[in-house]
Amino acid sequence: SQKIEQNSEALNIQEGKTATLTCNYTNYSPAYLQWYRQDPGRGPVFLLLIRENEKEKRKERLKVTFDTTLKQSLFHITASQPADSATYLCALYNFNKFYFGSGTKLNVKP
Amino acid sequence: DTGVSQNPRHKITKRGQNVTFRCDPISEHNRLYWYRQTLGQGPEFLTYFQNEAQLEKSRLLSDRFSAERPKGSFSTLEIQRTEQGDSAMYLCASSRPGLAGDEQYFGPGTRLTVT
Repeated sequence: SQKIEQNSEALNIQEGKTATLTCNYTNYSPAYLQWYRQDPGRGPVFLLLIRENEKEKRKERLKVTFDTTLKQSLFHITASQPADSATYLCALYNFNKFYFGSGTKLNVKP
Repeated sequence: DTGVSQNPRHKITKRGQNVTFRCDPISEHNRLYWYRQTLGQGPEFLTYFQNEAQLEKSRLLSDRFSAERPKGSFSTLEIQRTEQGDSAMYLCASSRPGLAGDEQYFGPGTRLTVT
């Protein structure tokens, strides 16, 4: 089955800086890769989706890249704000299933 | 509120008891997923419905777990003979017709504690 790795250590950055989160996967490349935000005690909230034939996707301050050769996706938040503090999950879709990473906790300090 | 709803939000039960959770997806969404999430981990796929058909079920799921989606609307997840290891957050998500890997809309989850 698919294995997904995200940095388990929290990422601490200063407000205004760019946060970069990594998602690495093994085995086969997914048809879709998604990023979600999750706040404590709440369900994940969808942020961005990127398809296997796309290299990059942007939405406001968010950017996702997808490198099927490296089997890696990078998620960037530019001009980060304290309100961006949360856990960010990547999810891979293949054959009717979504596989989630364990998430990376982002702390943006004012 | 037209989002995904789940009931109950919290459930405390004794080991060996049966529990049932309900998920009401967004009305026009035909795809429905159940996940289990424990502290510090991402959601773990349990099962997937397209309309009323259960098309995928995790091999990790023991036969104590069963899910239904009669008439392709709400769904229920039942756990029989609960064990302490079943304690977790159970999440439901739905997505619209179209792309199979389209964005999912998650409910708030049902937190199960087995004592």
